[in-house]
Amino acid sequence: AQSVTQLDSHVSVSEGTPVLLRCNYSSSYSPSLFWYVQHPNKGLQLLLKYTSAATLVKGINGFEAEFKKSETSFHLTKPSAHMSDAAEYFCVVIMKDDKIIFGKGTRLHILP
Amino acid sequence: KAGVTQTPRYLIKTRGQQVTLSCSPISGHRSVSWYQQTPGQGLQFLFEYFSETQRNKGNFPGRFSGRQFSNSRSEMNVSTLELGDSALYLCASSPLVSSGGANTGELFFGEGSRLTVL
Repeated sequence: AQSVTQLDSHVSVSEGTPVLLRCNYSSSYSPSLFWYVQHPNKGLQLLLKYTSAATLVKGINGFEAEFKKSETSFHLTKPSAHMSDAAEYFCVVIMKDDKIIFGKGTRLHILP
Repeated sequence: KAGVTQTPRYLIKTRGQQVTLSCSPISGHRSVSWYQQTPGQGLQFLFEYFSETQRNKGNFPGRFSGRQFSNSRSEMNVSTLELGDSALYLCASSPLVSSGGANTGELFFGEGSRLTVL
């Protein structure tokens, strides 16, 4: 079965330091993977997507993610955190039956 | 271009009642999907509609139903409300071009309808 696992429910980093949000997937074939962000009391917004083109994907607000097939990972990174990055982040996979499945989410806290 | 609009934003119901939530997608989008978000279960897929037909369905009981109108607006209904139905219900539209086409994963979300069941 295809699924996505976000390894951390909460991550705290200081402003100006790097961000790493981890996501692993399980799939019998090469999946389409996405990251979405949800700010408090808002809907979700697409950050970036991987659809079997370049393995390093650049998104909005300075985020990027690297697809690593050997590690079945699609971790989200940003070189320098900003206070406005505080939000919940979701790793997403499209299943074989075309359903879109969200990970449990990682809440990112930015410390001043 | 206006975004996805969900109404009402907040509502309070009591157990046993029913509720109807509305979603207006981005103009031109024919696919609308619904998700339930709770602290314990995260985001769970309810169902997806395309051109008035249910295209996909999650694992929710029959108390949860939906429909889509010819103008692509969608409603979802929950009957016989239970305390566990308290959640943020999110609607998303996508530029899916045909019912048989593959999902691009590019979803545009509304801000949600927060339902509290007492």
